[in-house]
Amino acid sequence: AQSVTQLGSHVSVSEGALVLLRCNYSSSVPPYLFWYVQYPNQGLQLLLKYTSAATLVKGINGFEAEFKKSETSFHLTKPSAHMSDAAEYFCAVSDEGSGNTGKLIFGQGTTLQVKP
Amino acid sequence: EAGVTQFPSHSVIEKGQTVTLRCDPISGHDNLYWYRRVMGKEIKFLLHFVKESKQDESGMPNNRFLAERTGGTYSTLKVQPAELEDSGVYFCASSLGVVSEAFFGQGTRLTVV
Repeated sequence: AQSVTQLGSHVSVSEGALVLLRCNYSSSVPPYLFWYVQYPNQGLQLLLKYTSAATLVKGINGFEAEFKKSETSFHLTKPSAHMSDAAEYFCAVSDEGSGNTGKLIFGQGTTLQVKP
Repeated sequence: EAGVTQFPSHSVIEKGQTVTLRCDPISGHDNLYWYRRVMGKEIKFLLHFVKESKQDESGMPNNRFLAERTGGTYSTLKVQPAELEDSGVYFCASSLGVVSEAFFGQGTRLTVV
């Protein structure tokens, strides 16, 4: 069965510093991988997704993630944090075991705090 | 274009009462998903509709939960009778196709007291 692990439920960085949010997955087949962001009082918004094309995926708001099959990782990075990046971030994998129904399996979420 | 709309945004009910959550997907999206996040846990899949048909309801916790999508448009999720452990945030998402981006609503925060 597929699963997603996000290391660190809370990450704190200073404004302008590198953001690194970690995500590891388990999957028996090449997965589709996603990062979603939830700002306060809003729904989840797709940041980026990996669908077995380029291993380095660029998303919105300057975020990117690299798919590393050997490490079963899909870490999210941003070179320079902005105050507006403070939010909760979710890594997810599509449940291919269901025959690609679009069903997502989520990690526990990581709350990013950006300090001035 | 309107996004996925859920209401109510918040609901506080007593144990044993009934609550109905509603989700209006983006117009034309055949796929509709319900997810739930219990406090401190990950977001978990509840069920998936394709138009009005239940494609997968493997994540429904028990028979106190009933989801419908009459006419393949909006969907409702009824909890009857509600228990304390049903508290959490219920998310709805919709997509054009199963490999298309899923758009999420803002969620309904349910508190059972």
